[in-house]
Amino acid sequence: QSALTQPASVSGSPGQSITISCTGTSSDVGGYNYVSWYQQHPGKAPKLMIYEVSNRPSGVPDRFSGSKSGNTASLTISGLQAEDEADYYCSSYTSSSTLFGGGTKLTVL
Amino acid sequence: QVQLQESGPGLVKPSQTLSLTCTVSGGSISSGGYYWSWIRQHPGKGLEWIGYIYYSGSTYYNPSLKSRVTISVDTSKNQFSLKLSSVTAADTAVYYCARSMTTLPDYWGQGTLVTVSS
Repeated sequence: QSALTQPASVSGSPGQSITISCTGTSSDVGGYNYVSWYQQHPGKAPKLMIYEVSNRPSGVPDRFSGSKSGNTASLTISGLQAEDEADYYCSSYTSSSTLFGGGTKLTVL
Repeated sequence: QVQLQESGPGLVKPSQTLSLTCTVSGGSISSGGYYWSWIRQHPGKGLEWIGYIYYSGSTYYNPSLKSRVTISVDTSKNQFSLKLSSVTAADTAVYYCARSMTTLPDYWGQGTLVTVSS
């Protein structure tokens, strides 16, 4: 049961857009429309940003969007802001467990 | 709004059993529709799913931890609990409880650091 694959780090300047990928298999990301994305600031609990691939919980800015193609899910943040600097994790449903990605550190330059 | 709060010892000796409880407020565990999860994060590392329980008592565990993990639920107290046996220093981590829909967490507790040391 391997973790989902995310890039270790991404960066962007304020106002720019970035995309974080999350690659799994047909048994997890590719097999179900149940992928979530979490934002985690240092010392804080993760916060749900996207659920069921592309849905935003109430209160999450529409700058955050999610998508999926095949076995890879993506989180896009447009109009980067300083407060977006954080770690981001993807998560996927499988038939008998929950998988997390290794996490991506987003740096806002 | 649902809130979750972890509680339990912050220090556990090697070979002993780690025990944590998650108290849920703002919603009833027994109302159904959600799974109740434990997740941990080793210092400076990523998230690791430990397992989850449905209000009926059905459990699912991470295969890598399955032999040492027990998750239980007490609907009368609106709590669920984690027991991890035979702990070592490798079990030192921040432990989170969470509510999960379609098994993926939505609401999280603040987390509690458990250190395994003699």
